[in-house]
Amino acid sequence: DAKTTQPPSMDCAEGRAANLPCNHSTISGNEYVYWYRQIHSQGPQYIIHGLKNNETNEMASLIITEDRKSSTLILPHATLRDTAVYYCIVRAYDKIIFGKGTRLHILP
Amino acid sequence: DTGVSQDPRHKITKRGQNVTFRCDPISEHNRLYWYRQTLGQGPEFLTYFQNEAQLEKSRLLSDRFSAERPKGSFSTLEIQRTEQGDSAMYLCASSSDRAEETQYFGPGTRLLVL
Repeated sequence: DAKTTQPPSMDCAEGRAANLPCNHSTISGNEYVYWYRQIHSQGPQYIIHGLKNNETNEMASLIITEDRKSSTLILPHATLRDTAVYYCIVRAYDKIIFGKGTRLHILP
Repeated sequence: DTGVSQDPRHKITKRGQNVTFRCDPISEHNRLYWYRQTLGQGPEFLTYFQNEAQLEKSRLLSDRFSAERPKGSFSTLEIQRTEQGDSAMYLCASSSDRAEETQYFGPGTRLLVL
């Protein structure tokens, strides 16, 4: 089973920041937090990952709480092209166990 | 484009037929994964290879399924005697074997069994 809990869906207005939460209270010390997204009928796209420090790249920022039991993915200026299912995953190595993710709707 | 590629992108077949899918990973990646995704669900792990060795198989991988990676480069996934329940998107991903390795996914092969 997936080790994360995410809301099934969220809405965000275009141009605003989208903040997607994830709970992973049973995360182990060697497990990373990964975020992927999947736009309709495409393969999952890697977004960002982190261990315990906050991370930022050209796509998003990842905020991990100090106790590592939850995290937030931030898309700073959401566009219609960010409409997708977002998966939060914790893993140390090899296979990924996906949950159902959060379906993010960007509203024009 | 140097990403993961999959062929074909779409396949329609009749129940009972055999099908084979191909995955070409990112060239320097020695790990290759197969996942299956049905409608409304997240992808589910099927199997993975490190180089040519198949290291893990999910219980989802029935005896009608076989995967190979003979030279440690591309991989094939064959389904024999297809059933309607095999209809799904079959996804391939690849990664290096470093501790923090990120898996990169291909576009998938969508299979429809009639």
